[in-house]
Amino acid sequence: DIQMTQSPSSLSASVGDRVTITCQASQDISKYLNWYQQKPGIAPKLLIYDASTLETGVPSRFSGSGSGTDFTFTISSLQPEDIATYYCQQYDKFPLMFGGGTKVEIK
Amino acid sequence: EVQLVQSGAEVKKPGESLKISCEASGYTFANYWIGWVRQMPGKGLEWMGNIYPADSDTRYSPSFQGQVTISADKSITTAYLQWTSLKASDTAMYYCVRQRNYIELDFWGQGTLVTVSS
Repeated sequence: DIQMTQSPSSLSASVGDRVTITCQASQDISKYLNWYQQKPGIAPKLLIYDASTLETGVPSRFSGSGSGTDFTFTISSLQPEDIATYYCQQYDKFPLMFGGGTKVEIK
Repeated sequence: EVQLVQSGAEVKKPGESLKISCEASGYTFANYWIGWVRQMPGKGLEWMGNIYPADSDTRYSPSFQGQVTISADKSITTAYLQWTSLKASDTAMYYCVRQRNYIELDFWGQGTLVTVSS
C-alpha cells in the first residue's frame, strides 16, 4: 500500500493567516491526490481533486499543488468556518489511502 | 440533488451480525461506484472497499478483505455493508461514499455509528 504522511498533525493559526499543510506519499503518485475537509461531527467533503483542481462551489481561498511524492494544501486567509480536520487521499494505486489528517484550530 | 441516506445507529454485542444500508438518490445509481469508509473513534479515514452496482463488481482493501461484505441492490438504489461476527474493534462511524470516476469521493452519507460492546 502507498502510505500518505501529513504534517503537521495539528496547527493553530489566527483568522486571516495563511495556512499550509503538506502530504507526502511513500512513492510517486503523479498528480493523483485529493483533499477533504471534515468539520467536527459531520461527514468529510471533497475540496480538491487531481492535486490542484477546486471542486465546484469550494471557496477560492483553498488551493492545492504538487506532484510526485510531495503535495501542499493552502488556505490563503483562514476563516472561522475553516476549523476542521483536513485529509489527503491518493488514488494512484489500489487501495485508496488517506493521510492521517491535520486538525486546524483558531488561535 | 445527490443524496446518500444511511441507516441509523446500531448497538450490538460481540459475535452478532449486522447489515447497514445506504440509500442513494438524485443520480443514476448503477453508473457510479459506491464505497465505504471507516472512521474509528478519534481517528482518521480508512477506505474499506466499493461496489459497482451495474454489475456488482466488488473490490476490497486488503485490510478489510474477509472481514466485511459489500453488496448493492440497484432496484432500490441501496448499498449495504455487513458483518457476520462483530468484534469490539468494529466500533466506528461508517460512511458510504459515491466515487466519481472511481477516484473522487464526491458525495458522502451522514454516517452510521456502530457500537459493539458486551
